[in-house]
Amino acid sequence: AQSVTQPDIHITVSEGASLELRCNYSYGATPYLFWYVQSPGQGLQLLLKYFSGDTLVQGIKGFEAEFKRSQSSFNLRKPSVHWSDAAEYFCAVQLSFGAGTTVTVRA
Amino acid sequence: EPEVTQTPSHQVTQMGQEVILRCVPISNHLYFYWYRQILGQKVEFLVSFYNNEISEKSEIFDDQFSVERPDGSNFTLKIRSTKLEDSAMYFCASSSGIRTDTQYFGPGTRLTVL
Repeated sequence: AQSVTQPDIHITVSEGASLELRCNYSYGATPYLFWYVQSPGQGLQLLLKYFSGDTLVQGIKGFEAEFKRSQSSFNLRKPSVHWSDAAEYFCAVQLSFGAGTTVTVRA
Repeated sequence: EPEVTQTPSHQVTQMGQEVILRCVPISNHLYFYWYRQILGQKVEFLVSFYNNEISEKSEIFDDQFSVERPDGSNFTLKIRSTKLEDSAMYFCASSSGIRTDTQYFGPGTRLTVL
């Protein structure tokens, strides 16, 4: 069975600072990995996905994620956050979602 | 840009009543999904649907749930006898392919069971 762990429930970051959101997964085969963002009152929007190939994946809004098989991780990063990045972020493997990480951006 | 739409945006119902949540997937998509998110909790997969039948379902999707594609555009989730614990945000999604293709999510329907 697959599962996803997002260890950080809430992260606060200053505008312009870098951001890293952690995601660990458990899955027996090659995973299909996703990061979604959910703004308040909105549906989920796909940021990026990984199926195979280059382990560093570029997504929308300046986000990237790196797949590390040895660590069963798929961490999301952004070098410089904007106030509009304040949202909830979900990591998913196949059809299983993590509990989410809420990102607050302070001015 | 095409998008997934859901109606209603908010549904309030009494416990034991039947509700139907409606979704209009992106028109050329072939795979359809329902998820739910209980307030403050993670998004949970309910069911996927392809070629007019359920292709995968979770443990949550028990006999009180059913899905249907009644015509060429709508995709519905029916909850036969609602319980308090069914209160959640329900998201519909669609994709052109399964698992590897991007799923496009609707804005959700907030179901409140009183």
